[in-house]
Amino acid sequence: AQSVTQLGSHVSVSEGALVLLRCNYSSSVPPYLFWYVQYPNQGLQLLLKYTSAATLVKGINGFEAEFKKSETSFHLTKPSAHMSDAAEYFCAVSEGYGQNFVFGPGTRLSVLP
Amino acid sequence: GAVVSQHPSRVICKSGTSVKIECRSLDFQATTMFWYRQFPKQSLMLMATSNEGSKATYEQGVEKDKFLINHASLTLSTLTVTSAHPEDSSFYICSAWDRENYGYTFGSGTRLTVV
Repeated sequence: AQSVTQLGSHVSVSEGALVLLRCNYSSSVPPYLFWYVQYPNQGLQLLLKYTSAATLVKGINGFEAEFKKSETSFHLTKPSAHMSDAAEYFCAVSEGYGQNFVFGPGTRLSVLP
Repeated sequence: GAVVSQHPSRVICKSGTSVKIECRSLDFQATTMFWYRQFPKQSLMLMATSNEGSKATYEQGVEKDKFLINHASLTLSTLTVTSAHPEDSSFYICSAWDRENYGYTFGSGTRLTVV
């Protein structure tokens, strides 16, 4: 069975500081991994995805994530936080295209002025 | 890009009534639709998976007679919450799989409040 853990339910950073959101997964098959962002009472917006190509994945809004098989991790980073980055972030794993997602518990990112 | 229109965005209903939520893919064919539920300050949990023209597959613990899913066409899937109770109050989100373009598209979600 697949599972996703996200260390830190709430992360606060100052505007302009590095953003690091952690994600670890377990999967019995080579995983497809995703990061989504959710603003209050809205749906999910895809930030980036890993589907067995390059291990360093660049996404939208300056975010990127690195797939590390040995660590079963897919941490999300952004060099410089912006106030508009404040939102809920979900890491998700899938067994393949067309399969459902298993979501992590989410990390709420706060950006302080 | 691909868009899934989900309606209504918010609905308040009385206990015992039924509510229908629609997800419509606007510019692609959604061969598979996933329905998720998100309780306040929690993550998304898969409720059921439906393929066009087939019966939905429900996750363990999700009552199929209470949450009726219809996926009669490649562009429309509906979730009907029957005999709603306050504990059904939640945020419901659909996710459509576009087999042609290898992509998932989420609806904008429906906030259901049962009073």
